[in-house]
Amino acid sequence: DAMVIQNPRYQVTQFGKPVTLSCSQTLNHNVMYWYQQKSSQAPKLLFHYYDKDFNNEADTPDNFQSRRPNTSFCFLDIRSPGLGDAAMYLCATSRASGAQETQYFGPGTRLLVL
Amino acid sequence: DQQVKQNSPSLSVQEGRISILNCDYTNSMFDYFLWYKKYPAEGPTFLISISSIKDKNEDGRFTVFLNKSAKHLSLHIVPSQPGDSAVYFCAASRAEYGNKLVFGAGTILRVKS
Repeated sequence: DAMVIQNPRYQVTQFGKPVTLSCSQTLNHNVMYWYQQKSSQAPKLLFHYYDKDFNNEADTPDNFQSRRPNTSFCFLDIRSPGLGDAAMYLCATSRASGAQETQYFGPGTRLLVL
Repeated sequence: DQQVKQNSPSLSVQEGRISILNCDYTNSMFDYFLWYKKYPAEGPTFLISISSIKDKNEDGRFTVFLNKSAKHLSLHIVPSQPGDSAVYFCAASRAEYGNKLVFGAGTILRVKS
């Protein structure tokens, strides 16, 4: 089945230690998104790629970076995680960037910062 | 500044009855609205959507109603089934901003058998 895969499902890191979360997709979609969802809050868009074009949300902290080396993979890098970065990180894809394109989500990676 | 709000964190409904999940938004520029459903340990999956040019969209047991003047939408599930127990997220977007979704915090629906 075509899908969005996120590894690992759980990630524990130390305060200030860089961490990378990964997302892969077999849907061959052009657009990939990263959302942050803190406990009992709404998922919040951090950034997205349309093909190789990176689009950062205005309020995404500089601590968060992303890479998309090819169509299938997208990475979220947190350069110096703080306790406030503990959250569920959701990756999503869509075929195109039009407003009515369905987004397909992975199961998420839960990040714990010690 | 929460632009999309789901004010009920949870809802419990008897099997066979109607479930009504509510969502309010503050940005009148939103023109497309969606509902996503999420089971534990899975990612959200698209359920149903509605464009701002409509006031109702129906798909089987699921109907979404949009009241633009009140900036309110609701999801009706009739009849509710135990398998509908999940977290339901409301989301909104603006066509000029492409597919950037603004989500609500979700409502946990429990359907009791």
